[in-house]
Amino acid sequence: RKEVEQDPGPFNVPEGATVAFNCTYSNSASQSFFWYRQDCRKEPKLLMSVYSSGNEDGRFTAQLNRASQYISLLIRDSKLSDSATYLCVVKGGGSQGNLIFGKGTKLSVKP
Amino acid sequence: NAGVTQTPKFQVLKTGQSMTLQCAQDMNHEYMSWYRQDPGMGLRLIHYSVGAGITDQGEVPNGYNVSRSTTEDFPLRLLSAAPSQTSVYFCASSYFGGEAFFGQGTRLTVV
Repeated sequence: RKEVEQDPGPFNVPEGATVAFNCTYSNSASQSFFWYRQDCRKEPKLLMSVYSSGNEDGRFTAQLNRASQYISLLIRDSKLSDSATYLCVVKGGGSQGNLIFGKGTKLSVKP
Repeated sequence: NAGVTQTPKFQVLKTGQSMTLQCAQDMNHEYMSWYRQDPGMGLRLIHYSVGAGITDQGEVPNGYNVSRSTTEDFPLRLLSAAPSQTSVYFCASSYFGGEAFFGQGTRLTVV
């Protein structure tokens, strides 16, 4: 089983749609969880951290289910500018705690 | 606000040549790392450092060397370039457990 797995997509949705991405991770000792956004030919940038209680930032909601080792990202009222690749990122256990990236889910929002 | 500065942005090498990718950060982050990103593979960790004078191997270290003589700088050296090292390289820095900030990337082609 891969350490961090995501559906690669692409997800093609109309403006205003609600879209959800899922991610599973294999290491139960993982400590921290993030969603990053990567635009075409650009560097990844943090979208939001994912907390056990779930968290919301405007149109974006992230959820963590430790028991199922599952992370989700919900985007409401999609905008054209949301088109990007969304990377699920898990910080491993241990003192170094390197970041482990999923391969990303591509989102394309159409007018 | 420089953040993470990575140079060069583009590079073409001939097989067997060596080169150094530069990475500098001005945020006083302890943790620095190098990733490569290939189509369909996601970001893979090459080497990382948890502080000046300390480096360790990541998932795909072969063919690369690093050093960390100062907190700010973390260069990546390709010893003898091979076509398999054609990729996009990203340098990142962070506090432990915190948000990772990425450089703009280096697009390397080895012919």
